[in-house]
Amino acid sequence: GAGVSQSPSNKVTEKGKDVELRCDPISGHTALYWYRQSLGQGLEFLIYFQGNSAPDKSGLPSDRFSAERTGGSVSTLTIQRTQQEDSAVYLCASSFGQGLDTQYFGPGTRLTVL
Amino acid sequence: QKEVEQNSGPLSVPEGAIASLNCTYSDRGSQSFFWYRQYSGKSPELIMSIYSNGDKEDGRFTAQLNKASQYVSLLIRDSQPSDSATYLCAVINAGNNRKLIWGLGTSLAVNP
Repeated sequence: GAGVSQSPSNKVTEKGKDVELRCDPISGHTALYWYRQSLGQGLEFLIYFQGNSAPDKSGLPSDRFSAERTGGSVSTLTIQRTQQEDSAVYLCASSFGQGLDTQYFGPGTRLTVL
Repeated sequence: QKEVEQNSGPLSVPEGAIASLNCTYSDRGSQSFFWYRQYSGKSPELIMSIYSNGDKEDGRFTAQLNKASQYVSLLIRDSQPSDSATYLCAVINAGNNRKLIWGLGTSLAVNP
């Protein structure tokens, strides 16, 4: 079946603009994660959705970052008033949840803020 | 103390040798353990998962879990240059809403 998909694959924007990144998880997966990875660095947790529970937003670096997950499926990560330090690869991952916790990653969105 | 710790490396081994990657975790309630591989410029991909104490083998890969000592390791036998990548350890604690906690990864270089 189809894996996790993300769009766009690359995004170049100007400082101060808003951007939206999209993630389509694997069908049936109840858990969805967003991560950020800067060049040569580890995975930085941003936000975690699990079923109908309130999302764990503890990793969002500032109030310019927000995410939603509509209908328990597609998720959008929004960054408002982008800054150069927001430049990174944004990765989405999903899992079945409910004890089946293997995460499957999308290809990522490379964001460049000029 | 970080929740999941790995030696950042780089770990350098000759082709054909055994590569040993280690990971320690702080929460004794952790239940599920994962090793992922990430090639440069690519997304992480699962290599092994392990849930019980002992060894689990899959081809050239063996995961070892010791809950009493709070470590999990990954052995790669007959290392190949294609194994050169960053290896990420991840751990789930059921009490933490089953959120996956990641180490920063160990860089492995297999030299021909």
